[in-house]
This record gives sequence, C-alpha cells and structure tokens, in this order.
Amino acid sequence: DAGVIQSPRHEVTEMGQEVTLRCKPISGHNSLFWYRQTMMRGLELLIYFNNNVPIDDSGMPEDRFSAKMPNASFSTLKIQPSEPRDSAVYFCASGGSGYNEQFFGPGTRLTVL
Amino acid sequence: KQEVTQIPAALSVPEGENLVLNCSFTDSAIYNLQWFRQDPGKGLTSLLLIQSSQREQTSGRLNASLDKSSGRSTLYIAASQPGDSATYLCAVRNAGNMLTFGGGTRLMVKP
Repeated sequence: DAGVIQSPRHEVTEMGQEVTLRCKPISGHNSLFWYRQTMMRGLELLIYFNNNVPIDDSGMPEDRFSAKMPNASFSTLKIQPSEPRDSAVYFCASGGSGYNEQFFGPGTRLTVL
Repeated sequence: KQEVTQIPAALSVPEGENLVLNCSFTDSAIYNLQWFRQDPGKGLTSLLLIQSSQREQTSGRLNASLDKSSGRSTLYIAASQPGDSATYLCAVRNAGNMLTFGGGTRLMVKP
C-alpha cells in the first residue's frame, strides 16, 4: 500500500490567492482527518470525515477554509483567500473504522507570501 | 477541553542509554493513546497504539505504558541509537475520534 498520498508537497503562493491541497487516503479506510502544524501551535485537527461525511469541523479556523470529500478516495482542503498566517504544514491522515490508528501523509508545506 | 503535555521538550543523550519520554493528559476519558515519531520535514510515523483497557504495548526497543486514571503515559526507548533522533509526539483520542497532540519531545542521540 502506498500509504496516504498528499499533493502538492510544497506550495508557495501570494496572499489572496486560492490554495487547494489534495489527499488520497489509504484504500479501505473510512475516516479522514486534516491537521495543521505550526511551530507556535503544534498539531491541530482542522476537520474530520467519516464515510465521506464531515463529522467535526470545529477546528477550521475561518470561513476562508473549506474541505470536501467527494468520494472515499479523495479529499481537498481549500483556502480562499490565503493569508500569510496560513503558512504551515498541512497533514492528511486516514484510519479504519472505530478508534483505530491514524496514518499520516507526508504533508504539504504551504508558504503564503 | 483535553490538554496534552510532553516533558521534556528536548532531550540529548549519548548512544546506548535507556530513556523515558513522558506524556500527561487532563481528561482521563480517553479511548486510546498513540505515540508517533516525526523526522525533520517529514510526516508522522505511528509507533504504538495503546487502547484505554491496556497497560502497555511493546514494539522492538520501544515500550509504551498507560495509566489512564492518573492521565499519564511513558515511552521507554531501550539502548538508544543515533537513528532514534527525532521528535516524539503523543496523542490521545477522546469521544469523537479526534486526536489531541502534545507538543512533542525532540530527542537527539549522540554517537
């Protein structure tokens, strides 16, 4: 299994631009999580899907952030418009049913200038 | 709200030492606890998962213990090696299947 796949690995954009991050979970996993990691705040959960349905988005910082999971093998996290304070590493993770291990992707390092 | 604390924040030891990393959490109503390793610029690698009903889990030179009632977990690394140098993160899972992470312990094992 290829594990959780994220793209792009690095993204540099200018303030105000739209940014779309992509994630392909491990096949057969029905839970998907988006996290953000910064030096100041560590790892924070942004949103969690179960069976493609958003379960908890209380971690999404603002309306500028949105996430979708149109099918079991693909999810996007979109920031529109982006701001410099959104610069961080964004991780996607997936897990099986129930309270099982979460497996993380390699992350997308986002820099907003 | 669950809070997870890891002590120490950084640790430097000579190769071969046995060491203990600590993790504490404020809400003992957890489903499980997971230890991760993160190398610089990389994602998180799952090391061990301890269910709330378990006291410990072992994988190779790693042993993780859980004392749910006191809100503590330890990760024991035996005979440390330079390749163990990384940041170690603990995360607890409460109701809702969400992980709350500690700030991590940055470990350096010197040859």
